[in-house]
Amino acid sequence: KAGVTQTPRYLIKTRGQQVTLSCSPISGHRSVSWYQQTPGQGLQFLFEYFSETQRNKGNFPGRFSGRQFSNSRSEMNVSTLELGDSALYLCASSHRGLGDNSPLHFGNGTRLTVT
Amino acid sequence: GDSVTQMEGPVTLSEEAFLTINCTYTATGYPSLFWYVQYPGEGLQLLLKATKADDKGSNKGFEATYRKETTSFHLEKGSVQVSDSAVYFCSIRGSYIPTFGRGTSLIVHP
Repeated sequence: KAGVTQTPRYLIKTRGQQVTLSCSPISGHRSVSWYQQTPGQGLQFLFEYFSETQRNKGNFPGRFSGRQFSNSRSEMNVSTLELGDSALYLCASSHRGLGDNSPLHFGNGTRLTVT
Repeated sequence: GDSVTQMEGPVTLSEEAFLTINCTYTATGYPSLFWYVQYPGEGLQLLLKATKADDKGSNKGFEATYRKETTSFHLEKGSVQVSDSAVYFCSIRGSYIPTFGRGTSLIVHP
């Protein structure tokens, strides 16, 4: 079974630009959740999508948004990039979503650098 | 809200040494507890989990016991290998949203 795939692996953007990151979950998993990992703040939850609906959202500004398609693939968009958005963005999939005790399966992440 | 506190790293050990990484948490109710491991350039991988008090999770020689009375979930391994060098994250899921510790870097020397 293929794992969680995130593309691209690396991105370099300029302040003010926008960026879209992609995540393909494990086949059969309907939940995709997104996380920001930085040395200063650690791992922080961004949002979760389940069957194309956003089910929960972390404490991030509205510049961070996402969506999920009918095949469960998910995209995350960050608009008006700031230097502080530089981070490793991880997505994770699970079969029944965050309300279940099942573990998360993470992708290898997208490293975003904002200059 | 929920929170997880992990011991500061890096933890540096010689091969075959005993490992303990402390993890304590605050949460309402009875959260599920997880340990994840992150190797350089990769995402997190589940190492082990426990879902109720006194449960012991184990995998690849690592163990952790759900201690409700002390709200702890310390990770242990009897004999570490160089290949165990990685960053270890304690995580809880109580109020739906996963909460992670800051991570503990483990460096094992031959």
